[in-house]
Amino acid sequence: DQQVKQNSPSLSVQEGRISILNCDYTNSMFDYFLWYKKYPAEGPTFLISISSIKDKNEDGRFTVFLNKSAKHLSLHIVPSQPGDSAVYFCAASGDQGGSEKLVFGKGTKLTVNP
Amino acid sequence: NAGVTQTPKFRVLKTGQSMTLLCAQDMNHEYMYWYRQDPGMGLRLIHYSVGEGTTAKGEVPDGYNVSRLKKQNFLLGLESAAPSQTSVYFCASIGYRAYTEAFFGQGTRLTVV
Repeated sequence: DQQVKQNSPSLSVQEGRISILNCDYTNSMFDYFLWYKKYPAEGPTFLISISSIKDKNEDGRFTVFLNKSAKHLSLHIVPSQPGDSAVYFCAASGDQGGSEKLVFGKGTKLTVNP
Repeated sequence: NAGVTQTPKFRVLKTGQSMTLLCAQDMNHEYMYWYRQDPGMGLRLIHYSVGEGTTAKGEVPDGYNVSRLKKQNFLLGLESAAPSQTSVYFCASIGYRAYTEAFFGQGTRLTVV
């Protein structure tokens, strides 16, 4: 039973345009959401996060939006750059029975074309 | 500052062999996690630990065991390797609560033949 879902395996955008990556979750116990970026042959690296008490968090070109009622979050990258080409993972965490899992989605491969 | 170090980086095992993957972090982090990454499956949580001496099961724990005898080390064991355990394994550590940034190791590519 997948608790964090990224339904788009891949996304291709032109340099300078906006990239929008989507993520849905099913577990209401999650109260913190994070995005990680992964290049081939490397471990994932943290990109941006949002608490469930907020609906938006911005860091430079990256903005994460959270819609709790829809259990949906999205990552916006504006403007997109070729160096942003990577796999992006959505992750969620929260207290689950006194312990904390950090659960990831399947990832979306973003390709930014020059 | 090494961060999170995984040993080994590559390994080929025969079916039925055993091995231990080591994850070491030098950031005094409380939380540590083991994931496996397979094509089209993303990062799936195997086991995790919220402190020295504690472990808990993740999404896909079968066939694996873990130990956290020292705070800085989190070991993942395969008692009898199977081809289905061919994967890239990632370890991650977090300072306190899974609300903050997780630091990942470079990964261990394991092939079971």
